[in-house]
Amino acid sequence: GQSLEQPSEVTAVEGAIVQINCTYQTSGFYGLSWYQQHDGGAPTFLSYNGLDGLEETGRFSSFLSRSDSYGYLLLQELQMKDSASYFCAVSGYSSASKIIFGSGTRLSIRP
Amino acid sequence: DADVTQTPRNRITKTGKRIMLECSQTKGHDRMYWYRQDPGLGLRLIYYSFDVKDINKGEISDGYSVSRQAQAKFSLSLESAIPNQTALYFCATFGTATGELFFGEGSRLTVL
Repeated sequence: GQSLEQPSEVTAVEGAIVQINCTYQTSGFYGLSWYQQHDGGAPTFLSYNGLDGLEETGRFSSFLSRSDSYGYLLLQELQMKDSASYFCAVSGYSSASKIIFGSGTRLSIRP
Repeated sequence: DADVTQTPRNRITKTGKRIMLECSQTKGHDRMYWYRQDPGLGLRLIYYSFDVKDINKGEISDGYSVSRQAQAKFSLSLESAIPNQTALYFCATFGTATGELFFGEGSRLTVL
């Protein structure tokens, strides 16, 4: 099966940097992705890692280490609008289309 | 118009009623998904489909059924709704080029 673990809550200060970790267990591995969800909204895609290393998209970066079954999302220059829930999601190689989500990390930004 | 459209957006029903949530997409994607979201539990996969002939169970398929009527349409049914199926339901399509799920706006279901 597949399972993911991520912290339930993180608090950070506006303008700072925050890292949200995600560890996963899967019978195979296809990719790790990250989604953002604001209260009352739908999840929106942030990034995807299929290979080891860092992917950068503006203020957001995502890292993957397949050997450690670990990834993280890095948010820089935090803004109040970044207050949201963040989900990691994994798709397993044995069933590449079965995409399973973690329970989410609620990020709160303080002025 | 939204690329992934869910109807209804809100529904209140009673225990034992049959409910259908509909999803349609204009993205031309083959893969479609239904997820359920409860507070603190993230998104849990109910069913997913590769195409009209290929439907697969997810993590929590008991009590649910689906129908893939066409590439663009994927419906979720609750044959006999029960209160613990009260949740926010999301439909999504998958873009293989980017590894991205595109979500609809969600259908909030309340079972009394």
